[in-house]
Amino acid sequence: EIVLTQSPGTLSLSPGERATLSCRASQSISSSHLTWYQQKPGQAPSLLIYGASSRATGIPDRFSGSGSGTDFTLTISRLEPEDFAVYYCQYYGSSLWTFGQGTKVEIK
Amino acid sequence: QVQLQESGPGLVKPSETLSLTCTVSGGSITNYYWSWIRQPPGKGLEWIGYIDDSGSTNSNPSLKSRVTSSVDTAKNQFSLKMSSVTAADTAVYFCARGVSGSYEFDFWGQGTLVTVSS
Repeated sequence: EIVLTQSPGTLSLSPGERATLSCRASQSISSSHLTWYQQKPGQAPSLLIYGASSRATGIPDRFSGSGSGTDFTLTISRLEPEDFAVYYCQYYGSSLWTFGQGTKVEIK
Repeated sequence: QVQLQESGPGLVKPSETLSLTCTVSGGSITNYYWSWIRQPPGKGLEWIGYIDDSGSTNSNPSLKSRVTSSVDTAKNQFSLKMSSVTAADTAVYFCARGVSGSYEFDFWGQGTLVTVSS
């Protein structure tokens, strides 16, 4: 079973700063199976990045995803006030889906 | 625009069966797969299971023995039943859509809180 470990647990940054979020898999995975979501309080998660690096429809280009093998990264180039939220990575394999535990990006 | 809406009792007694339905509007239920995901209060996301329009299913091994999924294409609905619930099953339950051939959930319901308590 693949385990996804996200770090850090919480990231305290100011608007305009760069955010770098990590998602590490317990073994090598296909990058096409790696997805990132954003969740704001009281809302459902929303799709950000699929296939490790493709932005979903309507997602601004300040969001980017990268990585391969076991190490994947979500980067927010310049934080906007609406970007402070929790971010989850997700993996699909063998007809199962697994989520990381999430990284909270909070206002410093 | 596709919309998903969860419905079902907000309170279930321990040892009983949790039953939820997700109604899909603005699009067809066919040619997609449909998942349930839950989130205990203040915690992360846990995938519960999926069903496709042909009725093929799979579920999280940790829940498999308690989970049953069904789909009603005529009503554009799919459903979840989880038996023998305990307080640990208290969570917000989301339904979500996946596109065949892809691995992400592109549309989600708003979620419904289910509390397990006597």
